[in-house]
Amino acid sequence: GQQVMQIPQYQHVQEGEDFTTYCNSSTTLSNIQWYKQRPGGHPVFLIQLVKSGEVKKQKRLTFQFGEAKKNSSLHITATQTTDVGTYFCAGRGQGYSTLTFGKGTMLLVSP
Amino acid sequence: KAGVTQTPRYLIKTRGQQVTLSCSPISGHRSVSWYQQTPGQGLQFLFEYFSETQRNKGNFPGRFSGRQFSNSRSEMNVSTLELGDSALYLCASNGQASTDTQYFGPGTRLTVL
Repeated sequence: GQQVMQIPQYQHVQEGEDFTTYCNSSTTLSNIQWYKQRPGGHPVFLIQLVKSGEVKKQKRLTFQFGEAKKNSSLHITATQTTDVGTYFCAGRGQGYSTLTFGKGTMLLVSP
Repeated sequence: KAGVTQTPRYLIKTRGQQVTLSCSPISGHRSVSWYQQTPGQGLQFLFEYFSETQRNKGNFPGRFSGRQFSNSRSEMNVSTLELGDSALYLCASNGQASTDTQYFGPGTRLTVL
């Protein structure tokens, strides 16, 4: 079945440093979504990418979808302590397939 | 609009018992998905319901079952609980199956002793 791998599992940065998490799917995706889960909270939707090569920005966050629609990345510029949490990618295969989540990247930001 | 609600929020059971969890989606959303979240396995898909029909099912044993009612509320049931069933069970609704984002509820924390 479809597998979604996400790296790194964990990253600790100093406030102001950049951060990137990568997501790779074993199959071509129809779309990829990104979620953020704060400690003790539930996943909250950040963005959805649909088109090959798509790049979207939300303030300091930049999301990319690969040309082959099998990989994606989330880049945070100049991290802040409010960025702390676990970032998940989730890929949807073709048709009415399930949404498969990566295992997430836990981001810790020290002031 | 009110968000996704899940009850109960916390539950403690013993091995061999069964449990029923409830999820009320966002008003107007017809699709409800259930996920199991554990530290080691991350978010794993259990099943998805759309208009009272199971649309997709994950790779979980038959002890895990679910249903959806005509008002889109959903329940999931786990029978013959095992220690490994201890997890956060998350419900998510979306407005249009297979295309829209998942709006997650706060989850039910199940502990099996």
